[in-house]
Amino acid sequence: DTEVTQTPKHLVMGMTNKKSLKCEQHMGHRAMYWYKQKAKKPPELMFVYSYEKLSINESVPSRFSPECPNSSLLNLHLHALQPEDSALYLCASSQDSTGVNYGYTFGSGTRLTVV
Amino acid sequence: AQKVTQAQTEISVVEKEDVTLDCVYETRDTTYYLFWYKQPPSGELVFLIRRNSFDEQNEISGRYSWNFQKSTSSFNFTITASQVVDSAVYFCALSVYGQNFVFGPGTRLSVLP
Repeated sequence: DTEVTQTPKHLVMGMTNKKSLKCEQHMGHRAMYWYKQKAKKPPELMFVYSYEKLSINESVPSRFSPECPNSSLLNLHLHALQPEDSALYLCASSQDSTGVNYGYTFGSGTRLTVV
Repeated sequence: AQKVTQAQTEISVVEKEDVTLDCVYETRDTTYYLFWYKQPPSGELVFLIRRNSFDEQNEISGRYSWNFQKSTSSFNFTITASQVVDSAVYFCALSVYGQNFVFGPGTRLSVLP
């Protein structure tokens, strides 16, 4: 299995809703990442988990809450989002937290719309 | 600090034309890695190639080729005989050991039938 699987593929939520994005990989990768990508822009790093511990938080607002229940799963809990948070949310994994040796494997993303 | 520039925002070509996507990077580290990713309309980022700073050999993979020149800090990507399926956004990225990827702004390639 050489994939990163993200669910759901599309999500529409209201500003008072609570929802979660899910990411799963079974490649034995020990680092997992959340990226946010706005239209016509490159992905922007949000969080890095290395060996199931949060190692980087790129000053992301607290309405985004990551969770890594085990080495194969990564969640992103969403609460009280704003319309400007609408974007494509990409999950990625790599063998280790540097990601340099083999690059990142990306999922196909969750396209989030906040109404 | 690391930086990646892709000067071409959008390129349109007609099918079967060759096209080169430019990538210029900046880093003070002597050990670094360069990548190209393809993002089709479906959204996922597809890994195309990785190159380390000590390997300046050009690489060819089917219709794809890459030209790495440290002297000009460039890592350009050429698609030969382009096809409609090559239409996508292409990102060049730089990684220095111990730090995360720096993506370029991307080049949107449209291949017209």
